[in-house]
Amino acid sequence: EPEVTQTPSHQVTQMGQEVILRCVPISNHLYFYWYRQILGQKVEFLVSFYNNEISEKSEIFDDQFSVERPDGSNFTLKIRSTKLEDSAMYFCASSWGTGESETQYFGPGTRLLVL
Amino acid sequence: AQSVTQLGSHVSVSEGALVLLRCNYSSSVPPYLFWYVQYPNQGLQLLLKYTTGATLVKGINGFEAEFKKSETSFHLTKPSAHMSDAAEYFCAVSTSGGGADGLTFGKGTHLIIQP
Repeated sequence: EPEVTQTPSHQVTQMGQEVILRCVPISNHLYFYWYRQILGQKVEFLVSFYNNEISEKSEIFDDQFSVERPDGSNFTLKIRSTKLEDSAMYFCASSWGTGESETQYFGPGTRLLVL
Repeated sequence: AQSVTQLGSHVSVSEGALVLLRCNYSSSVPPYLFWYVQYPNQGLQLLLKYTTGATLVKGINGFEAEFKKSETSFHLTKPSAHMSDAAEYFCAVSTSGGGADGLTFGKGTHLIIQP
């Protein structure tokens, strides 16, 4: 069964450094998403991406964040100048469509720790 | 704007007993509703979803949920709990607007199965 994959599974970085989290969505999916889950809190939507541009974004997704689909398979989340509060589990998801076709399939997540 | 409330951060049931996890939502437009399960150190797996049509939806692993518009609820049930059902369960809502909406999640309910 096709699945969303994410790398790395864990990343530790120093405050102020840039990190790139990588995702490979399901191959025929057209919509891509990033979410984060701070320890002990709910899963929060960050951004959605379609046709090589951002479709929707939340208040959390400020100028510190950017997304890119650099090639036909990868979908990345870049966090510039990381802060302590960026420590969280980051989930990538993809879906074939929207509306009734919107079933988002999630990857296993990347646990980011900012020291 | 939409929101999700899951009553009970922890629910404990005996093996073989009925499982009932509560979810209430608010949405200004007809909602799409989802239940996801998260096993330890894994990503989010879709259990079931409601978009339109029949209000009782069946999912994987014997779970089902009923959409009740008058009560703005989408409670998850399983007639007989199994030890393997122990996990974190998330209710989520998206709008039917057709864009690549992010899901809005509840805080989750940790299901504990007593032997």
